[in-house]
Amino acid sequence: DSGVTQTPKHLITATGQRVTLRCSPRSGDLSVYWYQQSLDQGLQFLIQYYNGEERAKGNILERFSAQQFPDLHSELNLSSLELGDSALYFCASSVVGADGNTIYFGEGSWLTVV
Amino acid sequence: AQTVTQSQPEMSVQEAETVTLSCTYDTSENNYYLFWYKQPPSRQMILVIRQEAYKQQNATENRFSVNFQKAAKSFSLKISDSQLGDTAMYFCAFMKPNTGNQFYFGTGTSLTVIP
Repeated sequence: DSGVTQTPKHLITATGQRVTLRCSPRSGDLSVYWYQQSLDQGLQFLIQYYNGEERAKGNILERFSAQQFPDLHSELNLSSLELGDSALYFCASSVVGADGNTIYFGEGSWLTVV
Repeated sequence: AQTVTQSQPEMSVQEAETVTLSCTYDTSENNYYLFWYKQPPSRQMILVIRQEAYKQQNATENRFSVNFQKAAKSFSLKISDSQLGDTAMYFCAFMKPNTGNQFYFGTGTSLTVIP
């Protein structure tokens, strides 16, 4: 157990709909990352937040948005869903300091768009 | 921007044998961290091993060890006594601190351990 919690674990929704994926980072971790992994694909970095502020943005579509709340949990909002958005969405967190700056992943949220 | 290259999309190894997965990276930084993550069929991302660039000694975790060549910007993973449970996708990753902890991942190497 990495300590990073993601909900829901599985989600099936129709095209055109909107979903929200939730992530609770490890206790004390200020950085939260979102990654997308399609079938047989590598990790696509979407966005990173640090202590509530956006720190880095990757290949995140305009239909997607994210935020990190004061309690450090984060949400990834996916709207106007398309079939191609079906993927495994990972949340990860990291801490700065003596821990070695390691990134820890949640178990992912499987999104299927039908 | 940092880049991480894994030039071996797929590899296989006989059970109990040793296999080495390659990873190279490109950076102008002197202080950074390198990682290997394992993703088994369950799709969970599991940290295998971590190396700090300022440490000359290669990191080791049980059957897993790295060959860190800083000048060559190479970071290979050696798996000894391969086990069936080692079958997974392996991702190499690079992180430079003090920049918001941005991580850069390679495209992965799919390893199959053959009984």
